[in-house]
Amino acid sequence: AQKVTQAQTEISVVEKEDVTLDCVYETRDTTYYLFWYKQPPSGELVFLIRRNSFDEQNEISGRYSWNFQKSTSSFNFTITASQVVDSAVYFCALSEENTGTASKLTFGTGTRLQVTL
Amino acid sequence: EAGVTQFPSHSVIEKGQTVTLRCDPISGHDNLYWYRRVMGKEIKFLLHFVKESKQDESGMPNNRFLAERTGGTYSTLKVQPAELEDSGVYFCASSQDYLGLAEQETQYFGPGTRLLVL
Repeated sequence: AQKVTQAQTEISVVEKEDVTLDCVYETRDTTYYLFWYKQPPSGELVFLIRRNSFDEQNEISGRYSWNFQKSTSSFNFTITASQVVDSAVYFCALSEENTGTASKLTFGTGTRLQVTL
Repeated sequence: EAGVTQFPSHSVIEKGQTVTLRCDPISGHDNLYWYRRVMGKEIKFLLHFVKESKQDESGMPNNRFLAERTGGTYSTLKVQPAELEDSGVYFCASSQDYLGLAEQETQYFGPGTRLLVL
């Protein structure tokens, strides 16, 4: 069975600090997909990134970067120079390849990030 | 392009009553999912439609929950009768056609319906 662990329940940082949100996953499949979603105070889940299991290249998008390491089954998310608008709950999720059909997501419990001035 | 919409945004009902949640996916998305987050826990999968057919309903907690997707467009999730443990946030998500072994379409989520059963 697949599982996603986000051990950090809540993180509090001061604006402009860098912060890394950890995500560790378990799966028996060789083909799978990893995701990060952001849930701001307004409540909706906002898609941030999708990564497939064959692509271990790190990705950077503005102040956001993701570090995917299959050797440690981790897909960590770093925010550089954090801002108050980054305050949200961040969810890591995993889906496995199901031949011929799209697949459900398995989520972690989320990490609440609080960025203060 | 409009995103996934859900109605109502909030619902407060008494134990034993019936509640129906609605989800309108992104236009053209064949895949529609329902998820639920109980307070403080992870978001859990409930079921998956491909067009009007139930592809996977392994996450449905019990037979008090009934999901439909008439005509492969919007979907409803009915809880009858509601129990206290049904309280939580119900999310709907949609994605495009499955493109094949090499790709997995991204699921886009709605704002959720916050259900409180008293």
